[in-house]
Amino acid sequence: QQQVKQSPQSLIVQKGGISIINCAYENTAFDYFPWYQQFPGKGPALLIAIRPDVSEKKEGRFTISFNKSAKQFSLHIMDSQPGDSATYFCAASMSNNNDMRFGAGTRLTVKP
Amino acid sequence: DAGITQSPRHKVTETGTPVTLRCHQTENHRYMYWYRQDPGHGLRLIHYSYGVKDTDKGEVSDGYSVSRSKTEDFLLTLESATSSQTSVYFCAISNSGGKRYEQYFGPGTRLTVT
Repeated sequence: QQQVKQSPQSLIVQKGGISIINCAYENTAFDYFPWYQQFPGKGPALLIAIRPDVSEKKEGRFTISFNKSAKQFSLHIMDSQPGDSATYFCAASMSNNNDMRFGAGTRLTVKP
Repeated sequence: DAGITQSPRHKVTETGTPVTLRCHQTENHRYMYWYRQDPGHGLRLIHYSYGVKDTDKGEVSDGYSVSRSKTEDFLLTLESATSSQTSVYFCAISNSGGKRYEQYFGPGTRLTVT
């Protein structure tokens, strides 16, 4: 049973638009929520992460929004660029173990 | 890829044969992980290590074993490869303390079991 559910599976956005990827989790013990970006043939790269004590974190064009009561978090990519075309994974882990659970991934295509 | 190398990068093997994948890091990080990546499943943790000779099972450990005899090397062994173990395998590392949750991934090994 997947503990982190990610949607959509694929997303097409025009250059300059906003890309939004959503994740939902079940285990309330999760306390660290990262997003990873993966280009074809490469390993995932840590993009941005948030802890549940804040509702939003922004780094450049990338923002995580976190809703603790709904057990949901999302990645917003502002002013999306063709170079942002990649697969994005959300994940969740907890303090007392090293078992990070990943969503199934979203393939983002930004059209020029 | 954060000072992480994986070898081999590609391997084709036959069902029933043992296979060992190697992960080597130059960052002196405490934690090392092995994941498999399959379409529709994201990444799933196979085993991880929290120090030399200290390892533990992850979500999908059946059919896999690991060893860590040096800080820099983490080996993943498929004792008797099956077609269901065809996958892309990623090694990851993380440091201790507050940075423990920031995992950095290697370039991956594509394994095909025929």
